Amino acid sequence: NAGVMQNPRHLVRRRGQEARLRCSPMKGHSHVYWYRQLPEEGLKFMVYLQKENIIDESGMPKERFSAEFPKEGPSILRIQQVVRGDSAAYFCASSPPTGGLNTEAFFGQGTRLTVV
Amino acid sequence: TQLLEQSPQFLSIQEGENLTVYCNSSSVFSSLQWYRQEPGEGPVLLVTVVTGGEVKKLKRLTFQFGDARKDSSLHITAAQPGDTGLYLCAGDTGGTSYGKLTFGQGTILTVHP
Repeated sequence: NAGVMQNPRHLVRRRGQEARLRCSPMKGHSHVYWYRQLPEEGLKFMVYLQKENIIDESGMPKERFSAEFPKEGPSILRIQQVVRGDSAAYFCASSPPTGGLNTEAFFGQGTRLTVV
Repeated sequence: TQLLEQSPQFLSIQEGENLTVYCNSSSVFSSLQWYRQEPGEGPVLLVTVVTGGEVKKLKRLTFQFGDARKDSSLHITAAQPGDTGLYLCAGDTGGTSYGKLTFGQGTILTVHP
């Protein structure tokens, strides 16, 4: 049973370009979460999605960042017009649809974005 | 805004020593999770504690959840070089955003042979 799959593992973008990060949740999981980790810091919640719905985007920057989880295919975190401050590791986590208190989320290996 | 304060931020010890990492908050969490993260990898879940006062053991690791569900600790007995890594605590406030975790800033543990 494959875990959470993220790609690419490493992404280099020039300032002003767009970055697209993909996340395929674990089989049977329909809840996806995106987190960002700056160097030597803990993870910061960005957005929580279910299929075709954004449930909680309270951690998303107001501009340039967007996320989707379509009915078919992976979840996508899109960063437009990247700046150096966007350089970080972006992690996706997924959890099963049963939800409920104390649902455990499983993390992917992350995408390391470097903006040059 | 819920905050989790982890301490110490860095810990460097010799093989065989014991250590404790603390995770404190002024907020109540419905559950608290501990993760270990290796360089270049994602966090791997070690344990979830749910009930106030709960103690869970995982080989040489002992996890405790405070009675008021605001704090937790991770104790490692007889640390080994393989325990080296970043340890993260994360709280889940439950409600409508299940799985939305608030993370501490982490403890970087180095165990020297």
